Amino acid sequence: QVNLLQSGAALVKPGASVKLSCKASGYTFTDYYIHWVKQSHGKSLEWIGYINPNSGYTNYNEKFKSKATLTVDKSTNTAYMELSRLTSEDSATYYCTREYYGGYFDYWGQGVMVTVSS
Amino acid sequence: NTVMTQSPTSMFISVGDRVTMNCKASQNVGTNVDWYQQKTGQSPKLLIYGASNRYTGVPDRFTGSGSGTDFTLTISNMQAEDLAVYYCLQYNYKNTFGAGTKLELK
Repeated sequence: QVNLLQSGAALVKPGASVKLSCKASGYTFTDYYIHWVKQSHGKSLEWIGYINPNSGYTNYNEKFKSKATLTVDKSTNTAYMELSRLTSEDSATYYCTREYYGGYFDYWGQGVMVTVSS
Repeated sequence: NTVMTQSPTSMFISVGDRVTMNCKASQNVGTNVDWYQQKTGQSPKLLIYGASNRYTGVPDRFTGSGSGTDFTLTISNMQAEDLAVYYCLQYNYKNTFGAGTKLELK
């Protein structure tokens, strides 16, 4: 069965970076794009961007272009998102999700909470 | 950027009610709209894709409709387990979520 397992919660200091992981299993990793979505506490969902695990091609929401960097490691079926120069505005839950062939997000990770605090 | 405006922000409903919520796109997105359900403390779950296609395993009381700029999600016979926040998403150009409609019990 398809599963996206995200890394554990992170507490990071302002100005630092954090790298979140999303390990895929139960399907061919390189066949589906992986997207990342931000959800600030009690708020709506924001699309950050996606990566094509096969080619490494990325596409970002303009708002997150200088904040997030998406990569993959095909040898471990893992997608990563690095968030840089963290501020309190980056405190949120981040989800990875799989896109089904140009349409919808059919599987989601459990989410990872990032807290930015000194 | 395509803005997705959801209404209402929240609804107080009773079990058995017929519930209708809306999503309006700031420009034509065709039928490139999905609906997701998010219960407290959980990841979002896909309900409807391509504006009107029910995803596998989704009860038939959930119905999506619309095209162009106006979209609707209807729950025909509200159940307690349907209490959640519902989000629309357009993927015609990049991806944009609506702000959500929260269903609460009267």
